[in-house]
Amino acid sequence: DTAVSQTPKYLVTQMGNDKSIKCEQNLGHDTMYWYKQDSKKFLKIMFSYNNKELIINETVPNRFSPKSPDKAHLNLHINSLELGDSAVYFCASSPSGGPYHEQFFGPGTRLTVL
Amino acid sequence: GDSVTQMEGPVTLSEEAFLTINCTYTATGYPSLFWYVQYPGEGLQLLLKATKADDKGSNKGFEATYRKETTSFHLEKGSVQVSDSAVYFCALSRQTGANNLFFGTGTRLTVIP
Repeated sequence: DTAVSQTPKYLVTQMGNDKSIKCEQNLGHDTMYWYKQDSKKFLKIMFSYNNKELIINETVPNRFSPKSPDKAHLNLHINSLELGDSAVYFCASSPSGGPYHEQFFGPGTRLTVL
Repeated sequence: GDSVTQMEGPVTLSEEAFLTINCTYTATGYPSLFWYVQYPGEGLQLLLKATKADDKGSNKGFEATYRKETTSFHLEKGSVQVSDSAVYFCALSRQTGANNLFFGTGTRLTVIP
């Protein structure tokens, strides 16, 4: 059984389009995250949700909007896509309650904006 | 602010060579420290972790010791295999507040037969 799944795995689209990436975890975790990995492999936190409530929103453009319909899902919607949005986006989840918990990562969604 | 500084790569080693990847951190208090590994085309997997000073994390022959005095968490393996070829990330999670991970820049390891 896949613990953290993301769809789609690859996404190729034109500048200016709107797209969504979906994430689901079946681990029963309370906290979910979105990370962005750039072309140099650097990973940075974008958002974090705990029990459907937004707890971290790093300096991410307003074009990015996370949505958590329930604690097992955290979707990422991106409006007016730009070339610089091309990256690999990773969803992750962890139990809440402390910094020592492992985070479980999805396989990533490679977004290419043309 | 909190940050992780990791040895630049890429690193190329022959099979059975000794591996060290340096990692130092900046954080207040006592963060938890992690090494994650990313195999080609895959997501990140936890390799090992340590949650307090002097703890040693170990897994699959890899080890790292949480050194508070030198704010370091260096990754070591005595004898690498071709299958260890991957990108390795050092990361920290703050002692208090939000639990997101702060990552180093990653080190690509290639092991040649």
